Amino acid sequence: DAMVIQNPRYQVTQFGKPVTLSCSQTLNHNVMYWYQQKSSQAPKLLFHYYDKDFNNEADTPDNFQSRRPNTSFCFLDIRSPGLGDAAMYLCATSRVGRALGTQYFGPGTRLLVL
Amino acid sequence: KQEVTQIPAALSVPEGENLVLNCSFTDSAIYNLQWFRQDPGKGLTSLLLIQSSQREQTSGRLNASLDKSSGRSTLYIAASQPGDSATYLCAVLYNAGNMLTFGGGTRLMVKP
Repeated sequence: DAMVIQNPRYQVTQFGKPVTLSCSQTLNHNVMYWYQQKSSQAPKLLFHYYDKDFNNEADTPDNFQSRRPNTSFCFLDIRSPGLGDAAMYLCATSRVGRALGTQYFGPGTRLLVL
Repeated sequence: KQEVTQIPAALSVPEGENLVLNCSFTDSAIYNLQWFRQDPGKGLTSLLLIQSSQREQTSGRLNASLDKSSGRSTLYIAASQPGDSATYLCAVLYNAGNMLTFGGGTRLMVKP
């Protein structure tokens, strides 16, 4: 089935040690999003790609970077994770930039920072 | 500031009850509104999407309505079941941008 896949589902890293989360999709959607969701809070958009165009939210820390090497894959890089970066990271896709259709979410990667 | 609010934050009902979850938004210039379900520790599952030109959408026991003039949407769940227990999030896509603005969610518990 077409879907949004996130690996790993759980990631443990050490304070300050770079970590990369991955997302892939078989939906052939042109937009991919990364959200951060902390416990009992709503998801917060970090950035999104519209095709190859990268769009960073104004309040996303510089510590967070992203790469999209092709349509199917998108990566979230956290250069120096702090304790406050422990959260669920959600990847989503949509068909067009204005999200005429549904945003499809992956299962998320839960990041723990020790 | 464009905000989305969901009240109540938590709701507990007995099995079989019909219930309504509320979502309000501050700016009526929306493109669409989406209802999601999130189980603990899991990602989001899209339930219903309502375009700004629509008044409601239905899927099985779920019915979502949209009233742009009053800045409100409701998610109606008929004959609730314990398996409906989850957090329900509404999210608005405003005309001005590409990002979804999420409400804080309603945590629903359906007791057997």
